[in-house]
Amino acid sequence: DGGITQSPKYLFRKEGQNVTLSCEQNLNHDAMYWYRQDPGQGLRLIYYSQIVNDFQKGDIAEGYSVSREKKESFPLTVTSAQKNPTAFYLCASSIGGGSNSPLHFGNGTRLTVT
Amino acid sequence: AQKVTQAQTEISVVEKEDVTLDCVYETRDTTYYLFWYKQPPSGELVFLIRRNSFDEQNEISGRYSWNFQKSTSSFNFTITASQVVDSAVYFCALSRWGGYQKVTFGTGTKLQVIP
Repeated sequence: DGGITQSPKYLFRKEGQNVTLSCEQNLNHDAMYWYRQDPGQGLRLIYYSQIVNDFQKGDIAEGYSVSREKKESFPLTVTSAQKNPTAFYLCASSIGGGSNSPLHFGNGTRLTVT
Repeated sequence: AQKVTQAQTEISVVEKEDVTLDCVYETRDTTYYLFWYKQPPSGELVFLIRRNSFDEQNEISGRYSWNFQKSTSSFNFTITASQVVDSAVYFCALSRWGGYQKVTFGTGTKLQVIP
């Protein structure tokens, strides 16, 4: 079955450490996205990528970094510069980067930083 | 700037009741897309429906129906004869026409269907 796999489901880190969240898709989608979900705030876009080796900052990119070396993979690194990293992170993909393409989401990674 | 308002934070209904989830949006664009997504307890958001701003026809899919009214900037979602499996957080979203996918999500409505 095609889909998006995020791992791990739960992640715990100490403050000051960088951590990388994995996102893999086998839908052959061109565009991939990272969203952050906080209680009562909906989803906010961190980074997006429309094609391999290209990515753009979203609304809340500070303290995060990404890479897109393969079409299937779009890992997100939460750096120590992110002031409030504890959140639920969702990876998504779409067939194209156009505004009419529905997003397909992974199951998310819940990151807790103490 | 775009904005999506889901004023209902949480709703509880008894199984088999009908329930409507409200969504009001703001945009200066004349061309745009509206979406509804469902987020069950497992976490992933599931796409339910897409509407473009030119199509104000209401849509029905099984127990689900959507009422799009440009005059009131609303895109409401009704579940008829609710079931426990409908318990989830529902998000309304707005996307600008063209360019990359710039989607604005509402804050979500948590629906609890009580057996």
